[in-house]
Amino acid sequence: DTGVSQDPRHKITKRGQNVTFRCDPISEHNRLYWYRQTLGQGPEFLTYFQNEAQLEKSRLLSDRFSAERPKGSFSTLEIQRTEQGDSAMYLCASSQGTSSETQYFGPGTRLLVL
Amino acid sequence: KQEVTQIPAALSVPEGENLVLNCSFTDSAIYNLQWFRQDPGKGLTSLLLIQSSQREQTSGRLNASLDKSSGRSTLYIAASQPGDSATYLCAVRTYGQNFVFGPGTRLSVLP
Repeated sequence: DTGVSQDPRHKITKRGQNVTFRCDPISEHNRLYWYRQTLGQGPEFLTYFQNEAQLEKSRLLSDRFSAERPKGSFSTLEIQRTEQGDSAMYLCASSQGTSSETQYFGPGTRLLVL
Repeated sequence: KQEVTQIPAALSVPEGENLVLNCSFTDSAIYNLQWFRQDPGKGLTSLLLIQSSQREQTSGRLNASLDKSSGRSTLYIAASQPGDSATYLCAVRTYGQNFVFGPGTRLSVLP
């Protein structure tokens, strides 16, 4: 296993379009996290899953954002009706959960909304 | 609500120097603290995780300490190398909250 992967790595879209990102965590990890990072800032927590259950959502996650992890493996993050303010790096991380909280991050998906 | 700050925002040192990066947090009821490095345009790489019951962790040339009562952690890098150039972030997990990241310290090690 080579770590957390994310697809696509880059996405350019026009304002108002919908976009979907995918994250594949390390296979034995049951926790999966989504973060958003803008230039010069640390990542901001968006949401996390324990297996297939979405246990917490940040108030940063507006109604236009939805995340799923249907089978407790990969996860998708969808942004509907994108806005220019959604432009950021979207990072996914996974951990083993209570046995180890060390988070392992993917390379991120860089979104640019024109 | 937990707030995390890091000082300095940027640091430039000559190769071989020992250096200290600082992380401060406002709520001392933390579960753990993790240090990461981030290369430009890339994801984060975990360096060290310190549980709330621990005072320090070491990995190679890196040593991280934790003082919960004062709300501080330091990352010590010994004998710095140009390959250490990156942004270093600390993240704090507080009881009842998820990880809160600091803004990072951008380190440049000059050959």
